Amino acid sequence: DVKVTQSSRYLVKRTGEKVFLECVQDMDHENMFWYRQDPGLGLRLIYFSYDVKMKEKGDIPEGYSVSREKKERFSLILESASTNQTSMYLCASSLFWGYGYTFGSGTRLTVV
Amino acid sequence: GESVGLHLPTLSVQEGDNSIINCAYSNSASDYFIWYKQESGKGPQFIIDIRSNMDKRQGQRVTVLLNKTVKHLSLQIAATQPGDSAVYFCAENLQHQGAQKLVFGQGTRLTINP
Repeated sequence: DVKVTQSSRYLVKRTGEKVFLECVQDMDHENMFWYRQDPGLGLRLIYFSYDVKMKEKGDIPEGYSVSREKKERFSLILESASTNQTSMYLCASSLFWGYGYTFGSGTRLTVV
Repeated sequence: GESVGLHLPTLSVQEGDNSIINCAYSNSASDYFIWYKQESGKGPQFIIDIRSNMDKRQGQRVTVLLNKTVKHLSLQIAATQPGDSAVYFCAENLQHQGAQKLVFGQGTRLTINP
């Protein structure tokens, strides 16, 4: 089975800090995604990548950036964390476009 | 606009009964749909998918029905068990900036009464 691993389950950061959320998948998938999940808003796409060093903005990219230096790793960066970025962050990967995603377990980030 | 919505935010069923979770989608060009299950503290897990050239697809204890005429999707769970308690999301595959992305519904929380 594909495994998508997010490095932290829980994080607490201070306002203004630079935050890195790491995601690694072990099945050579081309496509990787970052979502945030908030009550009442469901899952919203932040950024995605379909190849190494390639990235595309999703629906809510403001305040975030990403890095994909290696195929298996997709990092989400909060340049200057703010309290409205407190959320559950989910990473996913997929082999083909139009195919089901495999999700990680999520990182619950709290910005204080 | 793009949206995938659910008719009911919560559903409560008796253990052993069948559960039906509904989903409406708005993009008639969508050609692929997925149901995910998310248990507390975990990421969404793939349950079953269906392509638009099908009306029905069955898995183990789950069936997905697709009605393209009214843009409606449903997930049926047979003989619901306590382990089925979770939030269920439908997702719709859409074209986005030349690529494809999944758009998720808000989710339905399924609770099982003993």
